[in-house]
Amino acid sequence: DTAVSQTPKYLVTQMGNDKSIKCEQNLGHDTMYWYKQDSKKFLKIMFSYNNKELIINETVPNRFSPKSPDKAHLNLHINSLELGDSAVYFCASSQANGDYEQYFGPGTRLTVT
Amino acid sequence: GENVEQHPSTLSVQEGDSAVIKCTYSDSASNYFPWYKQELGKGPQLIIDIRSNVGEKKDQRIAVTLNKTAKHFSLHITETQPEDSAVYFCAATFSGGYQKVTFGIGTKLQVIP
Repeated sequence: DTAVSQTPKYLVTQMGNDKSIKCEQNLGHDTMYWYKQDSKKFLKIMFSYNNKELIINETVPNRFSPKSPDKAHLNLHINSLELGDSAVYFCASSQANGDYEQYFGPGTRLTVT
Repeated sequence: GENVEQHPSTLSVQEGDSAVIKCTYSDSASNYFPWYKQELGKGPQLIIDIRSNVGEKKDQRIAVTLNKTAKHFSLHITETQPEDSAVYFCAATFSGGYQKVTFGIGTKLQVIP
């Protein structure tokens, strides 16, 4: 059983398009995250939700909008895609926020051409 | 905010040798220090963690040490095997409230058979 799943795994799109990435966790966790990993492997947090409430919002362009319809899902919508958005996006979840193990999804490789 | 520095960025060792990855953190309030391993094409996975009330923790061939005074913590892998080849991330955070986990830049470990 997959603990944290993301769709799609690969996403190739053109500049200016709008796209969404979906994430689901079946661990019963309260907290979910979105991370961006650039080509140099640097992991940077973008957003965190706790029980559907946004609790961490890093300096991310307004073109990125997370949505948590329920505790088990956290989706990421990106408007007007730019070349610099190309990266691997990871969803993760943890039992609660802070000093708890984070379980990462397999990642979504986004390529903007 | 917290800043985590990690080195080296790349590390090559012969199979059977030991590998050491070092990290420093800036926020003295940090009290939870996880280590994640990321294999090629996968999301990071927790391999070991340590809390500030402990100076050392060991799990089979993996050990982590923490020096709170110097704000240093290190990952030690003994008797390295080819399957240890991956990118390793250290991280720091503290419990209480809504805190993000700050990751180091990662260390690419290559174990040469």
